[in-house]
Amino acid sequence: NAGVTQTPKFRILKIGQSMTLQCTQDMNHNYMYWYRQDPGMGLKLIYYSVGAGITDKGEVPNGYNVSRSTTEDFPLRLELAAPSQTSVYFCASSYSKGRLAGAYKPLYEQYFGPGTRLTVT
Amino acid sequence: TQLLEQSPQFLSIQEGENLTVYCNSSSVFSSLQWYRQEPGEGPVLLVTVVTGGEVKKLKRLTFQFGDARKDSSLHITAAQPGDTGLYLCAGALNNDMRFGAGTRLTVKP
Repeated sequence: NAGVTQTPKFRILKIGQSMTLQCTQDMNHNYMYWYRQDPGMGLKLIYYSVGAGITDKGEVPNGYNVSRSTTEDFPLRLELAAPSQTSVYFCASSYSKGRLAGAYKPLYEQYFGPGTRLTVT
Repeated sequence: TQLLEQSPQFLSIQEGENLTVYCNSSSVFSSLQWYRQEPGEGPVLLVTVVTGGEVKKLKRLTFQFGDARKDSSLHITAAQPGDTGLYLCAGALNNDMRFGAGTRLTVKP
């Protein structure tokens, strides 16, 4: 298994340009996530998906869009790049059985990709 | 403000010393995870704790989940240079995970 793969590894964008960060996992995980990591700030959740066709906003969704047409792929779209979007982006996936009878079920291990370092100038 | 506060932010120690890092919140989590991240790579899971008061050991690492499931600690015994990295805690809230800012540990030989 390749696990979680992300492309590209590095990218420089000009302000106002658009791009798609690709993420693919081959572990048949139902949950997938996009995070950004800024220096000294930990990881912030951008969007997540609990299965194909279902996406939800995380903490910092503004300026991004996602889609989940298949179990394997979860691309992240930046429509109008801004300098504030300069960051390292991580995609992750996990398997979770979700809620059981109203009680929260623990999320299982998240597997992370190697990251995409994006600079917007 | 971070939902999960980690302390200390930076820690530099000599090989062989013991250390404890903390992860605190005012929120209750259904589970809490600790990850280690090395430069240029994604985080890698070390442990998941689920039950309040739970203690898990992973070789020289001991993880504890607070009784109220709001906080956790990571204790490393006899630290080695290979323990150097960014240690992140993450709490499960509904269907998503919230991460702390991390503790950057450097172990000098």
